[in-house]
Amino acid sequence: EIVLTQSPATLSLSPGERATLSCRASQSVSSYLAWYQQKPNQAPRLLIYGASNRATGIPARFSGSGSGTDFTLTISSLEPEDFAVYYCQQRSISWTFGQGTKVEIK
Amino acid sequence: QLQLQESGPGLVKPSETLSLSCTVSGGSISSSGYYWGWIRQAPGKGLEWIGNIFYSGKTYYTPSLQSRVTISADTSKNQFSLKLSSVTAADAAVYYCARDGFAYDFWGQGTMVTVSS
Repeated sequence: EIVLTQSPATLSLSPGERATLSCRASQSVSSYLAWYQQKPNQAPRLLIYGASNRATGIPARFSGSGSGTDFTLTISSLEPEDFAVYYCQQRSISWTFGQGTKVEIK
Repeated sequence: QLQLQESGPGLVKPSETLSLSCTVSGGSISSSGYYWGWIRQAPGKGLEWIGNIFYSGKTYYTPSLQSRVTISADTSKNQFSLKLSSVTAADAAVYYCARDGFAYDFWGQGTMVTVSS
């Protein structure tokens, strides 16, 4: 089973700052990696698929990069609505999720 | 617009079988190339993938639950279902259904399942 490890567990930042979230896979997942945002009491929302493709309606401040085992989600300038939990997920070999990174207001 | 809606009992007794359905509207579960999946989230925890069913009927399950999980589809009702047997308190969670074309792009709102006698 492919394990996805996200870091950091919590990121404390202020609105307007840049957020950089990491996801590392225990073996190569090629570009079969997605990122989701989840707010309290809501279903997750797809942000990025195929490691770097923004989903429909996702603002340009969200970007994804990486391939193989190391991936990054970048939020270029945090808006108040971006404070949430972010999960990476691979679908290269079966499906698994990372444990999540919480982006909180500093 | 595709919509998914979970339904089923919110309370299941220990050792019994949890049964949930996901009704899809705005699209067909028989559409070529799509997986239809179940994901759960225990209170205060992260997302856990349970399994998928491909449009062809082939199923995929997470290893830790494989012996207890069955996912099936009813194309006449445009629904797919989850059965999880021998539940314990550890199975209490919000259960989501979702569509995977290139990622999970459409999700249901989730349904909370409590395990208690």
